[in-house]
Amino acid sequence: SQTIHQWPATLVQPVGSPLSLECTVEGTSNPNLYWYRQAAGRGLQLLFYSVGIGQISSEVPQNLSASRPQDRQFILSSKKLLLSDSGFYLCAWNLAAFGTQYFGPGTRLLVL
Amino acid sequence: DAKTTQPPSMDCAEGRAANLPCNHSTISGNEYVYWYRQIHSQGPQYIIHGLKNNETNEMASLIITEDRKSSTLILPHATLRDTAVYYCIVRVANQAAGNKLTFGGGTRVLVKP
Repeated sequence: SQTIHQWPATLVQPVGSPLSLECTVEGTSNPNLYWYRQAAGRGLQLLFYSVGIGQISSEVPQNLSASRPQDRQFILSSKKLLLSDSGFYLCAWNLAAFGTQYFGPGTRLLVL
Repeated sequence: DAKTTQPPSMDCAEGRAANLPCNHSTISGNEYVYWYRQIHSQGPQYIIHGLKNNETNEMASLIITEDRKSSTLILPHATLRDTAVYYCIVRVANQAAGNKLTFGGGTRVLVKP
């Protein structure tokens, strides 16, 4: 069966520091991968999605970037964190054109 | 993507059925209705989806009106662990768009003993 992992689970970082969040999917090949962010008390906002290695689409302009170095690995990065980057970051995957999206456990980021 | 409208919150009694409504009056013929829920501090969990016909699985039932402009998620016997925010989503079936899900505000469901 397929599983999705995210780490770290929780992260506290100072403003201006770099960020790297990792997401990996097991048990499948060539998934679509997604990064979402959820600010406190708010709905989910799609940040990036990828339909293949090296293919990244950005949904909103921001301080973050994404990369997909391997088929089942998706990385969210920042060179310099802002206070507004705090939130709950969720990775998700699906297969093909009509697959249900499945979410990881999330990473809670607090920028101080 | 078609937009959805859900009540912001609702309470239900433990052991009773919970009926969660969703309006999606601008839904297109090839768009599916998906339901997810998010328990506090966890990632969203897939519940069920459908196109035209009513659907049932081990978690819930989905009733879609004949004109497809609204739907109802039914939790047949709500438990305290069903307390969560429930999201109704209409999804674009477009591989080029990566099949992204657009989440609205959802309905905050509180199951009371």
